[in-house]
Amino acid sequence: NAGVMQNPRHLVRRRGQEARLRCSPMKGHSHVYWYRQLPEEGLKFMVYLQKENIIDESGMPKERFSAEFPKEGPSILRIQQVVRGDSAAYFCASSPPLSSGYTFGSGTRLTVV
Amino acid sequence: QQPVQSPQAVILREGEDAVINCSSSKALYSVHWYRQKHGEAPVFLMILLKGGEQKGHEKISASFNEKKQQSSLYLTASQLSYSGTYFCGTESTGNTPLVFGKGTRLSVIA
Repeated sequence: NAGVMQNPRHLVRRRGQEARLRCSPMKGHSHVYWYRQLPEEGLKFMVYLQKENIIDESGMPKERFSAEFPKEGPSILRIQQVVRGDSAAYFCASSPPLSSGYTFGSGTRLTVV
Repeated sequence: QQPVQSPQAVILREGEDAVINCSSSKALYSVHWYRQKHGEAPVFLMILLKGGEQKGHEKISASFNEKKQQSSLYLTASQLSYSGTYFCGTESTGNTPLVFGKGTRLSVIA
C-alpha cells in the first residue's frame, strides 16, 4: 500500500509562472483534500473533492487557484501566475467515504522566486 | 470556525505527562488528532466521534466532551519520539472537511 503520493516534493517557480501539484490518493480512498501550510502555522483547508466533483472549495482563493480530481489520474491543484505569497507547503490528504482519519501525503514545498 | 488549542507549546522531560486541549465554539460531530514532525506530513493518531468516548492506546489517549465542545489529548510517560506539533481537527457534520487548530508544539527532552 503506497499511501498518498504527492509530486513533486519541491517546486520552484518564478513569479508569473504556473504551478501544478499532483496527488494520488490511497487505494480505496475516494475523498481528497488539499491543505496549505505556512511555516510554524497550522493547516489551512483549501478544497475537498471526490471523483469528478468539487464538493467544497470554500478555502480556495477565487482567482488563480483551481483543483480537479478526474475520473482517471491524480488530483491536480493548479496555481496560475504565482506570486511570492503562494510559497508554502501544500498537503494533500485522502480518506474513505465515512468519517475517518485522513492519510496525508508528504507535501509539495512550493517556492516562488 | 478554527478550534483553539492550548497550550501553544510545552516542554517535557522524558517520563512526564502532558495534556493538550482543543475547544470549539461550534457543535462538533468529530474530533481528530494528528502529530506532525518537522518537515514531515501530519500523521493520524485517533478520531473521536460525538458520544463522549475516550479512546487511545496505553500512553496516548483522548477524550471528547460533546456538551462542552472540547477534546483533550493525554500523553503519559512521554518519550523522545513524542516530540512534534500536535493538531486537532474538527468536523461539524459528517463528511465535512476538517478544520485544524494552530497546533501545540511538544518538545520532549532527555
